[in-house]
Amino acid sequence: EDQVTQSPEALRLQEGESSSLNCSYTVSGLRGLFWYRQDPGKGPEFLFTLYSAGEEKEKERLKATLTKKESFLHITAPKPEDSATYLCAVGGGGSQGNLIFGKGTKLSVKP
Amino acid sequence: ETGVTQTPRHLVMGMTNKKSLKCEQHLGHNAMYWYKQSAKKPLELMFVYSLEERVENNSVPSRFSPECPNSSHLFLHLHTLQPEDSALYLCASSHRQTQWGGYTFGSGTRLTVV
Repeated sequence: EDQVTQSPEALRLQEGESSSLNCSYTVSGLRGLFWYRQDPGKGPEFLFTLYSAGEEKEKERLKATLTKKESFLHITAPKPEDSATYLCAVGGGGSQGNLIFGKGTKLSVKP
Repeated sequence: ETGVTQTPRHLVMGMTNKKSLKCEQHLGHNAMYWYKQSAKKPLELMFVYSLEERVENNSVPSRFSPECPNSSHLFLHLHTLQPEDSALYLCASSHRQTQWGGYTFGSGTRLTVV
């Protein structure tokens, strides 16, 4: 069964304290791994797509990496405005082209 | 604004009411989706429309009825809901042929069933 597991469920950081969020997945025939950011009361906002193991993408303080079993979202020197819930999703397998989402990691960055 | 607009933003309805959620996109996408987001759960795919044809219905109860009159508009008609249906309902759109580029989501409708 296609599955996405994110950890930790919640993460509290001090401003400037770098860390990583994990997304492990089980899917036959990965067609893409997606990271989204979701602020309270809003819909998910697209951040990155990764298609193959070894691929990396960066945007400001965020860097996403992909292996054959998991993806990491590295946050370097985070700021309070990076506080949000980060969602991971995969496409492929039996999903018929639809995305399968994890439960998300809620990140809080304190000044 | 992301290019996908959902109305209303908030909705409180009784279990015997009938209401509709509306989604509109002007991104030139040809696929639209309804997702349900509940606390502590992953986003749950409810319905998929591709080129205005429903291509997926994920065992959603019949009290939820989708409608896609054209590629820019999507509705979710609600009737006789239960309190456990209270959630954030998200609409998304994409290019169906190149959906691996990701979805664009609206801001959602926060539904409370009383």
